[in-house]
Amino acid sequence: EVQLVQSGAEVKKPGESLKISCKGSGYSFTTYWIGWVRQMPGKGLEWMGIVFPADSDTRYSPSFQGLVTISADKSLSTAFLQWSTLKASDSAMYYCARLGSGFDIWGQGTMVTVSS
Amino acid sequence: DIQMTQSPSSLSASVGDRVTITCRASQGISNYLAWYQQKPGKVPKLLIYAASTLQSGVPSRFSGSGSGTDFTLTISSLQPEDVAAYYCQKYNSDPWTFGQGTKVEI
Repeated sequence: EVQLVQSGAEVKKPGESLKISCKGSGYSFTTYWIGWVRQMPGKGLEWMGIVFPADSDTRYSPSFQGLVTISADKSLSTAFLQWSTLKASDSAMYYCARLGSGFDIWGQGTMVTVSS
Repeated sequence: DIQMTQSPSSLSASVGDRVTITCRASQGISNYLAWYQQKPGKVPKLLIYAASTLQSGVPSRFSGSGSGTDFTLTISSLQPEDVAAYYCQKYNSDPWTFGQGTKVEI
């Protein structure tokens, strides 16, 4: 079965760092781009950025450039989304998704809560 | 960057109604347009890609059309299980922008 499995929910304090993961299985992980999508409570989907695991080519939405780092480790079939300094406004659900024709496979989501 | 504008932002319709959602790109994107459905509390699901190709397993009451800048998602006969938010997305090049979403209620 083709799937993306994300790491579990996180509760952090402002100023802390965080790295969440998205592991692919059931397909050739290096063949497809993996994107990250933010959904703040009660709001719509926001495309954050995307990585090509074969060579780690990465693109960012202008809205998220410099605020997060997207990476991939092809040996682990895993993509990552990380923050060096979290803010309360980073509290949201984060999804990874495989880019086929559109985002055809989605992870289950990782809820990130940032609160003092 | 290309902007994606959906309308309406929300709608209420009756079971069996024909429902139409539009998505407009600020520049031409050929047919690199996808539609997603997100039911309350659930993960988004790909419904349509290449503007009009139904993803495997999606009911045939869903259809998509358009090319260039103007696109449409149609539900031919609204069902209770179609209550959800619907999003368009361009995927021809980065940024892979989503529309702001349309909430469909019954």
